[in-house]
Amino acid sequence: QKEVEQDPGPLSVPEGAIVSLNCTYSNSAFQYFMWYRQYSRKGPELLMYTYSSGNKEDGRFTAQVDKSSKYISLFIRDSQPSDSATYLCAMSANTGNQFYFGTGTSLTVIP
Amino acid sequence: NAGVTQTPKFQVLKTGQSMTLQCAQDMNHNSMYWYRQDPGMGLRLIYYSASEGTTDKGEVPNGYNVSRLNKREFSLRLESAAPSQTSVYFCASKRGRSYLSPEQYFGPGTRLTVT
Repeated sequence: QKEVEQDPGPLSVPEGAIVSLNCTYSNSAFQYFMWYRQYSRKGPELLMYTYSSGNKEDGRFTAQVDKSSKYISLFIRDSQPSDSATYLCAMSANTGNQFYFGTGTSLTVIP
Repeated sequence: NAGVTQTPKFQVLKTGQSMTLQCAQDMNHNSMYWYRQDPGMGLRLIYYSASEGTTDKGEVPNGYNVSRLNKREFSLRLESAAPSQTSVYFCASKRGRSYLSPEQYFGPGTRLTVT
């Protein structure tokens, strides 16, 4: 079983839609939960991260962590064509240096 | 402030050839990483260096070696390239342990094809 599972999509939505991206994980030691955005032929860039459980909001983006279900989500409100990219979840343990990535979900926002 | 830089951007090798991928960061980060990214597999850790002078294996280290040359530079070497090593390679750096800051900064990648 992989440490982190992520639906690869692809996901296609109209501009202005609310997008929900999700990952599940198996390692209960994970405490840091990150979402990266990767544009085509570029390196990933960090969107936001959450420590332990709870929600975090940054503009149009909201990250949620449910440790009891080992499930994390990223919501994008009022999606824009510029949000078209691959979104990767990543996780690490509290004192760890290793990160475990999902396979990424490809998102296209249609104008 | 260039962040994380990688050279070369593209490379084509024949089976059995060797090469070194170079990575440098100018953010005074302690930790550096090498990942490969393949379709349907996501980012997989090859090797990492938690601090200058240390290196550790990741998930897929076979066929690779690394050198943490100094705090800025971390190189990845393929001694005898195989077609299975065709991939996009990303270098990343991080300030230190996750409780300091979990954010990794990635380079632009090296696209390697082994024929």
